[in-house]
Amino acid sequence: AQKITQTQPGMFVQEKEAVTLDCTYDTSDPSYGLFWYKQPSSGEMIFLIYQGSYDQQNATEGRYSLNFQKARKSANLVISASQLGDSAMYFCAMREPRYNFNKFYFGSGTKLNVKP
Amino acid sequence: NAGVMQNPRHLVRRRGQEARLRCSPVKGHSHVYWYRQLPEEGLKFMVYLQKENIIDESGMPKERFSAEFPKEGPSILRIQQVVRGDSAAYFCASSLSSYNEQFFGPGTRLTVL
Repeated sequence: AQKITQTQPGMFVQEKEAVTLDCTYDTSDPSYGLFWYKQPSSGEMIFLIYQGSYDQQNATEGRYSLNFQKARKSANLVISASQLGDSAMYFCAMREPRYNFNKFYFGSGTKLNVKP
Repeated sequence: NAGVMQNPRHLVRRRGQEARLRCSPVKGHSHVYWYRQLPEEGLKFMVYLQKENIIDESGMPKERFSAEFPKEGPSILRIQQVVRGDSAAYFCASSLSSYNEQFFGPGTRLTVL
């Protein structure tokens, strides 16, 4: 089974509007972490936001917020007030503890296009 | 800026040649991870190393790929006799300990002609 599923290969959003990028995950471990990364066309991986499995509140970082629904195993990224510079690939990732380290699993990504 | 450094950023090799990718972790980090990103896909874990030791290589192809992280110097991911299917972006990450946050480098884009 896929550890991380991103079902939206591509999304369009109008500048200044909000957009939600979907992510579901699969784990039986009670302790895990969820991440979102942005990958612009230049290729680097830019960390956006983190949610721990025990965190009670949804994580927020500026215009980014993570809609964490633990029972549904979903961790959707919400970008408010989209900007042209938000156009990029977005990857959801899960950090799962193994016996001696944290292993990362990445989804296949969502390509976001922000229209002026 | 003492972030994760990778070089080269772009590497072109012909089929059958060797590719050597280097990763210098964040200063003070002794844990290094390599990931591969095939075109149109997410990153996939390859190998986790500590200084002089391979801890987990469950994501490494069984042949032609090897990784090392010597006591001194950068971590090296080595691909022998490259094939077109090796064309990908290879990312390195480092962490302070095995359970701390991983910081990603900018990646090396390997193109096999």
